[in-house]
Amino acid sequence: KAGVTQTPRYLIKTRGQQVTLSCSPISGHRSVSWYQQTPGQGLQFLFEYFSETQRNKGNFPGRFSGRQFSNSRSEMNVSTLELGDSALYLCASTTGQGNSGANVLTFGAGSRLTVL
Amino acid sequence: QQPVQSPQAVILREGEDAVINCSSSKALYSVHWYRQKHGEAPVFLMILLKGGEQKGHEKISASFNEKKQQSSLYLTASQLSYSGTYFCGTALSGGGADGLTFGKGTHLIIQP
Repeated sequence: KAGVTQTPRYLIKTRGQQVTLSCSPISGHRSVSWYQQTPGQGLQFLFEYFSETQRNKGNFPGRFSGRQFSNSRSEMNVSTLELGDSALYLCASTTGQGNSGANVLTFGAGSRLTVL
Repeated sequence: QQPVQSPQAVILREGEDAVINCSSSKALYSVHWYRQKHGEAPVFLMILLKGGEQKGHEKISASFNEKKQQSSLYLTASQLSYSGTYFCGTALSGGGADGLTFGKGTHLIIQP
């Protein structure tokens, strides 16, 4: 079956702009999580959506937001971009059922954002 | 709080063994292990749950010491394909209220 698809794969923005990234989960998966990956901080949890509701949120400023649609596809938005937002943004999907701490994450290949 | 992984990097010859450690200062519900190759998505290797349950690939072995909140990933008879960055991710509760918290990774290079 198809994996987790993220678009776009690469993008370049300038400071102050906003960006929207998209994630299509594995068919049947209802939970989508977003992570920011940087060389200095590693993988950091942004938020998780399950059945169109934000279920969990990491420690990121309000400029980072997301949403999930009825078909489980998710988008994340970053407004007023800063240089430090340059990173690989990964999304991961799971079924979302049962104990989420026991669910296997299937990651997409990521969207690499460069902010100039 | 971010789990601490050790070593930060390791270089092995094909066929050698390696152990990667992950340590947390908090009581854990589960420890996850993922491997990421350059330019690719992280790939699931193993989940170890409080209470002893494990889920993962047959060729991967790992342990979880609940008393010490430490997990170790054992890579035996390493192959070139094992090269990559290994991340442990920890969950404090089964409800996953705070998502997975990942360590900074261990870079593994396997040389022929």
